[in-house]
Amino acid sequence: GESVGLHLPTLSVQEGDNSIINCAYSNSASDYFIWYKQESGKGPQFIIDIRSNMDKRQGQRVTVLLNKTVKHLSLQIAATQPGDSAVYFCAGSRYGNQFYFGTGTSLTVIP
Amino acid sequence: ETGVTQSPTHLIKTRGQQVTLRCSSQSGHNTVSWYQQALGQGPQFIFQYYREEENGRGNFPPRFSGLQFPNYSSELNVNALELDDSALYLCASSQPGTPEWFGPGTRLLVL
Repeated sequence: GESVGLHLPTLSVQEGDNSIINCAYSNSASDYFIWYKQESGKGPQFIIDIRSNMDKRQGQRVTVLLNKTVKHLSLQIAATQPGDSAVYFCAGSRYGNQFYFGTGTSLTVIP
Repeated sequence: ETGVTQSPTHLIKTRGQQVTLRCSSQSGHNTVSWYQQALGQGPQFIFQYYREEENGRGNFPPRFSGLQFPNYSSELNVNALELDDSALYLCASSQPGTPEWFGPGTRLLVL
């Protein structure tokens, strides 16, 4: 079956620094990945996605890197702000349905 | 904020009872997925509906069932509730192969 795992359960960074959150997946057939942000008491919020035909995708202050050889993806947040404090999940799927989520990394931004 | 709404926001039931949770999908989305999120864990895929038909199911027993209506809204039904069913239940809507947009969730407590 599919499994997705995050490398660190917690991460603390200074405001203004860059954050890197890592994720590994088990199913080499996974072809679509999404990073979500979840704040306390809310549903997951879409951040950025990437398909398996890409290695890198950039958004506003965020970059996702995909390494299919080692089945690893990362989320980089530039100039981390207090509003970035949340739990971050990576989710993988095949054909864009039945997403499998990791356990999440809790990011704390220190002012 | 996404256009996905869920009701109720909170619910308390006792063991053995039945519960129905509701979800209205974002306008233009014909696919609805349901997830269970236990405290401190990532969302776990329950099942997905596409154009009123079940389109995939995760590792959940048959007492978890669902429906999707012609307007693409959806229900999740859980029979014979168990204590371990206490969780946040998330609904997400999408077009196939595109990011899933999550609602705020229904928090279910089984006593």
